[in-house]
Amino acid sequence: AQSVSQHNHHVILSEAASLELGCNYSYGGTVNLFWYVQYPGQHLQLLLKYFSGDPLVKGIKGFEAEFIKSKFSFNLRKPSVQWSDTAEYFCAVPTSGGSYIPTFGRGTSLIVHP
Amino acid sequence: GAGVSQSPRYKVAKRGQDVALRCDPISGHVSLFWYQQALGQGPEFLTYFQNEAQLDKSGLPSDRFFAERPEGSVSTLKIQRTQQEDSAVYLCASSLILAETYEQYFGPGTRLTVT
Repeated sequence: AQSVSQHNHHVILSEAASLELGCNYSYGGTVNLFWYVQYPGQHLQLLLKYFSGDPLVKGIKGFEAEFIKSKFSFNLRKPSVQWSDTAEYFCAVPTSGGSYIPTFGRGTSLIVHP
Repeated sequence: GAGVSQSPRYKVAKRGQDVALRCDPISGHVSLFWYQQALGQGPEFLTYFQNEAQLDKSGLPSDRFFAERPEGSVSTLKIQRTQQEDSAVYLCASSLILAETYEQYFGPGTRLTVT
């Protein structure tokens, strides 16, 4: 079964700083990768996803993630964060190839100071 | 249209009580998932339905946990004889179809506190 790890559990930044949140997954054949975000008081929602093709994926609100197969990584990036990006960020992969069950990382809490 | 809704949003139960948590998925969504999210952790899979069929319940932590979706729409997660370790946020999600390349739409969750 695939697993996913997020190494940064708490990140604190000032507005306009650049962001990179780490996500590493275990090898499991065909790789589908997701980032979800949960803003304070809101539902968990999809931020971006990678299935195939261009390894640089663009998501909502200026976020992007790059799939680097050789490093088993799918790090989330944003060049300039805003206070409104304060949220919990979760990386997820299917439990195994062909599975419909996602395995989530434990999440990264991002706080952006204005 | 309306998103996934869950009720109640908060539930406090005394140890040993039974609780029932409700999920209303997005209309027309075939797939429905339940997750348990402990404090400081990511969601963990509990069970999955396709229409009314419970296709996977491998994540249910014990036989005190039971889920149903009798008409292929609303789902109920029932926990019998609650224990303190059951305290968590219970998330429901639905998706249009069963596919590996799915997008799940999550509800707000029910925060269960067992005292």
